[in-house]
This record gives sequence, C-alpha cells and structure tokens, in this order.
Amino acid sequence: NAGVMQNPRHLVRRRGQEARLRCSPMKGHSHVYWYRQLPEEGLKFMVYLQKENIIDESGMPKERFSAEFPKEGPSILRIQQVVRGDSAAYFCASSPPGRVNTEAFFGQGTRLTVV
Amino acid sequence: AQSVTQPDIHITVSEGASLELRCNYSYGATPYLFWYVQSPGQGLQLLLKYFSGDTLVQGIKGFEAEFKRSQSSFNLRKPSVHWSDAAEYFCAGLPQGGSEKLVFGKGTKLTVNP
Repeated sequence: NAGVMQNPRHLVRRRGQEARLRCSPMKGHSHVYWYRQLPEEGLKFMVYLQKENIIDESGMPKERFSAEFPKEGPSILRIQQVVRGDSAAYFCASSPPGRVNTEAFFGQGTRLTVV
Repeated sequence: AQSVTQPDIHITVSEGASLELRCNYSYGATPYLFWYVQSPGQGLQLLLKYFSGDTLVQGIKGFEAEFKRSQSSFNLRKPSVHWSDAAEYFCAGLPQGGSEKLVFGKGTKLTVNP
C-alpha cells in the first residue's frame, strides 16, 4: 500500500509563473490536508478537502492560492503568479473516512523555490 | 488562541545519552497530541499520539511521551539516543471533536554527537 505521494519533490519557478503541486492520497483515504512549512517554522495548516469539496480553507492566502480534490485524480494545490515569499515546503496529508486528522499520514512534500 | 510551543530550537546530545524534548500546549480543553519526526528532506513520520487514558504513551523507535495536564505538557523522551535519531521533531495538537487542523510547534532540531 503506497503512502501519500506528492510530486514533484522539487519545483523551481520564476516570479510570476504558476506552480502546481500534486498529492495522491493513500488508497482508501478520502480526506486531504495541505500544510506549508516556511524556513525555520513549523507546519501551518492551509486547507482541508474531501472529494469535490473544500471543507476548510481558513489557512489559505486570500489571493493566488487555490486547491481542489476532484472526483478522479490527485489533489492539486495551485499557486498563481508566484513570489519569492511562496518559497517553502508544501506537505500533503491524507486520512481515511471517519478518522479525520487523528489518523493523518504525510507525504514527503514538494519544495518550491521561487527565483 | 490554540498554540503548541516547543521551547528548545536546537538540542545536542551524545549517542547513548537520554533525551527529553519539551512541548507545551495552550487549548481550552485537552487536545489530542502528537509527536512527529522529520529527517532532512523528508516528510513527517508519526512517532506517537495521545488521545486519552494512560498518560504515558509508547511510540515507535523506542520513544515515549508523558502527558501532564497540570503542566500542559507532552514531553518526548528516549532513554538512549542513536545517531540515526538526528532529525527535527515536531509536537502538534488537535482539538478533540472539533477542527481538523493540526497546530504544530516550531520544531526542535536534534543533533547527536558520536
């Protein structure tokens, strides 16, 4: 049973470009969470999704950031018009139905560098 | 506001020595509590978690943690550290029966000297 898969592992974007980060949850998991880790900081919650629904996006910046978890395929975190301050590690976690964040498993993260 | 504090940014111990990493929480009611480990360039691995019941929790890799309500603490311990334990350790909290948002401390980086 593969774990949470994130790709790419490393992503370099120039300022103003778009970044797309993908997360495939563990088999049987229907809840996905995105967290951001800035240098020298702990992880900060961004968004919680179930299939085709955004449940809680209270940690998402108001502009340029969006997330989706379609019926088929991975969850996508999209950052438009990236700026240097978006450089961070972005982690996805998933958990099974009925066991929300108490049983979350994390992926290895995508490290975004904006140049 | 809910918060998790790890007072020590960096700790250095010798291989074979005992280890204690501190974690304090601030919540309206006792949250679920977790310890994760992150090796360089890797994701987070769950070491152990506390939901209720026995206040001494055993985890993987020989780690344990003790929940102390009176001190709002959930410190992580290991009797004898191995060089492979060098990593960053994060404490996290989750309100019981409420939000799904894990709140993380800023982490403690552990260096192990030979």
